[in-house]
Amino acid sequence: GAGVSQSPRYKVAKRGQDVALRCDPISGHVSLFWYQQALGQGPEFLTYFQNEAQLDKSGLPSDRFFAERPEGSVSTLKIQRTQQEDSAVYLCASSLTRRYEVRETQYFGPGTRLLVL
Amino acid sequence: GNSVTQMEGPVTLSEEAFLTINCTYTATGYPSLFWYVQYPGEGLQLLLKATKADDKGSNKGFEATYRKETTSFHLEKGSVQVSDSAVYFCALSALYSSASKIIFGSGTRLSIRP
Repeated sequence: GAGVSQSPRYKVAKRGQDVALRCDPISGHVSLFWYQQALGQGPEFLTYFQNEAQLDKSGLPSDRFFAERPEGSVSTLKIQRTQQEDSAVYLCASSLTRRYEVRETQYFGPGTRLLVL
Repeated sequence: GNSVTQMEGPVTLSEEAFLTINCTYTATGYPSLFWYVQYPGEGLQLLLKATKADDKGSNKGFEATYRKETTSFHLEKGSVQVSDSAVYFCALSALYSSASKIIFGSGTRLSIRP
C-alpha cells in the first residue's frame, strides 16, 4: 500500500517568506509526527497529533512554526517569516495507534528539503 | 533526559567485511530501542527494534541486542554488501514517558566498497 508522502520534496524560499509543507500519512493512521533534520544530524521532534488534536508541540522552535491536521488525516507544517536557520529536511511520520504505544512502528515519509536563502 | 550517542562516521568497509556501529543510550524508565536506516534519496525506514532488556532485534542480516547493564544497542552484520551503504540512526522511545516521541542519534554514514 501507499506509504507516507510529503510535498513538495524540495523548497527554496527567500528569507522572510512563508512556506507550507504537506504530509499525507498512511490511510487510517491515528498518530502523526513532524521532525526536523538538520544537515548531518538525526531528526528532532517538532510536534505530534492524535487524529486532529495536537497533543504535543514542545519541539516547535519558535512561534513562527505552526502545524495543523484539521480532519485527522493530511497535515500541514507552516513556517512564517522563514530564517536561514530554518533550512533543514522536515520529516513526517505516522503510526497506526496512539502515542503511548511505544512499540508501534513509526513510518516516515521522504521529507521536504527546505533551503532558505 | 533521554539521549542517544552513536559512533561517528563515515565508516568505510570492503564488501563482506564485518560491521559494528556502536550505540549507547541514556533514558529514564524502560525505553524501546531502534535502528533506522536512510538509503540515498529515500525516507527513514525501521531496520530493527527491541522492546525490553536482552531482546535481540534482527532484519536483513543485521542484529542488535538490548543490553541494559551497559545501556547499549550496537548494530552488527557479519558480511556487508554494497547495497548496505546508507546512513544508520540509533534511536529510543521511552515507555511510560509523557513524551514518547523518538529520540535519534546523529547518524553514522556507512559506505561499502565493492
